Amino acid sequence: GAVVSQHPSWVICKSGTSVKIECRSLDFQATTMFWYRQFPKQSLMLMATSNEGSKATYEQGVEKDKFLINHASLTLSTLTVTSAHPEDSSFYICSATWAGTQYFGPGTRLLVL
Amino acid sequence: AQSVSQHNHHVILSEAASLELGCNYSYGGTVNLFWYVQYPGQHLQLLLKYFSGDPLVKGIKGFEAEFIKSKFSFNLRKPSVQWSDTAEYFCAVNYGGATNKLIFGTGTLLAVQP
Repeated sequence: GAVVSQHPSWVICKSGTSVKIECRSLDFQATTMFWYRQFPKQSLMLMATSNEGSKATYEQGVEKDKFLINHASLTLSTLTVTSAHPEDSSFYICSATWAGTQYFGPGTRLLVL
Repeated sequence: AQSVSQHNHHVILSEAASLELGCNYSYGGTVNLFWYVQYPGQHLQLLLKYFSGDPLVKGIKGFEAEFIKSKFSFNLRKPSVQWSDTAEYFCAVNYGGATNKLIFGTGTLLAVQP
């Protein structure tokens, strides 16, 4: 139980394009999901809290207009990286909360050329 | 500010050695504590968690952790490591509130030599 999936697992795009990443809770409903970035050999950095049916809450320093989050249902949250640039290349991880515990997706590796 | 520190960035052990990874958090009242593991090429998996009750928590794969409130610590232990325990280990703390937001430590990379 408590399985979280992400799609795609990796994506390569050109600078200036937008990329959408999906996060799904497969066997439970999650009113709250989280989006993280993980840089090589570093810990997870929380980007934003995704709340079903309401606006996401962004951490300090994260541009909400660049990283658009939509949590339209209890099992799906999406992160759209708009006008991606090479510095946005990273490993993006989502998690979904169930019974007070976060369960993590496998991550999406984004490479912006 | 709320923070979590893991003292060891890298640990190298031989198989069958005992393991203890340190985790300390800054004061913040009631906390929920977690250890996650990330095996090479895989996603974060929950090892164990503490919400309340017995401060000695047992998790999967023979791991355990002890919550010592007076020391603000939640150290991870395993009496005898295996090569398959090679992974990165993250301590994480939820400082309460409605969002279940986690603060992560910087991680400890464990390498077990066969």
